[in-house]
Formats: sequence, C-alpha cells, structure tokens
Amino acid sequence: SSELTQDPAVSVALGQTVRITCQGDSLRSYYASWYQQKPGQAPVLVIYGKNNRPSGIPDRFSGSSSGNTASLTITGAQAEDEADYYCNSRDSSGNHLGVVFGGGTKLTVL
Amino acid sequence: QVQLVESGGGLVKPGGSLRLSCAASGFTFSDYYMSWIRQAPGKGLEWVSYISSSGSTIYYADSVKGRFTISRDNAKNSLYLQMNSLRAEDTAVYYCARVNWPYISMDVWGQGTTVTVSS
Repeated sequence: SSELTQDPAVSVALGQTVRITCQGDSLRSYYASWYQQKPGQAPVLVIYGKNNRPSGIPDRFSGSSSGNTASLTITGAQAEDEADYYCNSRDSSGNHLGVVFGGGTKLTVL
Repeated sequence: QVQLVESGGGLVKPGGSLRLSCAASGFTFSDYYMSWIRQAPGKGLEWVSYISSSGSTIYYADSVKGRFTISRDNAKNSLYLQMNSLRAEDTAVYYCARVNWPYISMDVWGQGTTVTVSS
C-alpha cells in the first residue's frame, strides 16, 4: 500500500500561523482530508476536498495542495487547537480503491 | 442528531472471533458508504475496511484481508465487522465512520469500541 508521511510533532505560538504537511504519491491524484483528534476523543473531520470545511469548523482552518504534498494551515492558532492531526487519502498503489492515513502530527500550542 | 454508536468490543484470546456493530441514526444510512478505522494504543489511525451504500463494493486493508468481514443491514441502519483469527496486533479502538464519497473523508465518527486480544 502507498504511504502518507507527516512530521511527528509541530509547535506554534498562540495566535500564530502553523502549517502541517502530508506527503505521498497518492496526493498527486487525490485530495487529502484532515482530522483533528484530542486525547480520549474520536477524530473530527476539519478539511476535505480542495479546501472544504464541515459545518462548525472555524475558518482559521484551511487546506491546500501542491504536487505530492497536502497542507493544513491554522491561521491564528488557539489553545484548543492543540491536538493530533491526521491526513488521509485514497491508496494509489495496487489497492487503488483502498484508503490510507498519515502517521499523524502532534500539534503543541505554546 | 447524526450519531454512530459502536458496540461489541471486549477481551478475546488470540485466534478468537468478535463481531462489532455500529448503529446509525439521524441520517439516511442507506445513502452512505461506511467504514471501519482502528487505532492501536498510543498509535495513529489505520483504515480497516469500507462498504458501499448498497453493500456491493467492499475493500479491506491488507492487514485484515481474509480475516475480517464488513457488512451492513440498511433496514436496521447498522454496520458490522466480523473479526476472525484475531491477533495481538488487532488490539485497538475500533471506530465506525460515515464516508463522504468520493472524497474518502470520514465526516461522522462513533465514539469507538475497544478490542483487546490477549491470552
């Protein structure tokens, strides 16, 4: 199966902007989706498609993509944004209709 | 409100079986693809399987292929995961999720059910 690679940890000062990236060959063909997971909770979808936010997700969350890299940007990070963030996409390897998740990025808000 | 509630987790010995269920409410279940995703203790998310709205299309991760079977009953608004030949590495919290096709985004998640495989 194909892989999606994320930095294990990223930090940002309160109120600043942070970009979390996700790299993988499948992202050349398919959009990434992004999920936020806080300790002891189920993941929550924050971005999908080109740059779509589900209802209830603050507009400080945005998504973008270039080549084999998808990015989640938080503009003006808040303390409540401290969480693990995961990307996912289609599996572009032999299992073309499968799904793959990145390893996750732990975001710390300083 | 839109809700998914998993059940059926527990402690099982290696080689044993378990059947997970996911009850959906607040949306037209039969309109949506559904998926199972798991998360081992302290680890990241791992996709397990998905099933199309009618049940005619099913895919599995290589790690569970041949051992796990996903199914659904649209009349009962329920999703299932039959897990056989369980291994220690199957120990995880199992989430069911609604799939926003074709984005492959999981837009509604249950709270998860814990499966522990240990002797």
